[in-house]
Amino acid sequence: DQQVKQNSPSLSVQEGRISILNCDYTNSMFDYFLWYKKYPAEGPTFLISISSIKDKNEDGRFTVFLNKSAKHLSLHIVPSQPGDSAVYFCAASDGYSGAGSYQLTFGKGTKLSVIP
Amino acid sequence: EPEVTQTPSHQVTQMGQEVILRCVPISNHLYFYWYRQILGQKVEFLVSFYNNEISEKSEIFDDQFSVERPDGSNFTLKIRSTKLEDSAMYFCASSPRAGTEAFFGQGTRLTVV
Repeated sequence: DQQVKQNSPSLSVQEGRISILNCDYTNSMFDYFLWYKKYPAEGPTFLISISSIKDKNEDGRFTVFLNKSAKHLSLHIVPSQPGDSAVYFCAASDGYSGAGSYQLTFGKGTKLSVIP
Repeated sequence: EPEVTQTPSHQVTQMGQEVILRCVPISNHLYFYWYRQILGQKVEFLVSFYNNEISEKSEIFDDQFSVERPDGSNFTLKIRSTKLEDSAMYFCASSPRAGTEAFFGQGTRLTVV
């Protein structure tokens, strides 16, 4: 039962170009969405989040877009840098409003390779 | 910058043995979690802990697993009798409020032989 889906296992992008990572979800109760970055042998590092009352959130080179009607979110990285090469996980929660659970549900991840 | 720390970084144990994985969450956080990632698979929720009790647990978190916050800083995961399929990266995480960003430790790689 994949409530959070990342359908692209990998993505290659040239340095300086835009990286777009996609994520779809099925649970309409999710009200908070997050992106994490993970290097091998390290824990996930929080990047950026968005609540369901917004459709865009920006932090430096990272922007997350949320399309609730399509149950889709994306992470844009502009410009992409070689140090961005990592596995990116989409995650979702239904506990932001206080009524749901405490856990994060993760997608399987997309491996981003930024080519110099 | 405050961070979640986990020890040990790697633990090898024989099947049937008990293991304790240790974590020091970020000091002003109130919610604590354990997640695991089996090689090549996604990060899976195990358990959440708030106000000195388990608030939520997944189907994975069966009677072989337990968590404890023995003092004001440590948060532990105990596996009573390890099985081969318990081999995974175990991540501790903490957050200031439920349902929002959790901050993860670097993980403990558990290998059951």
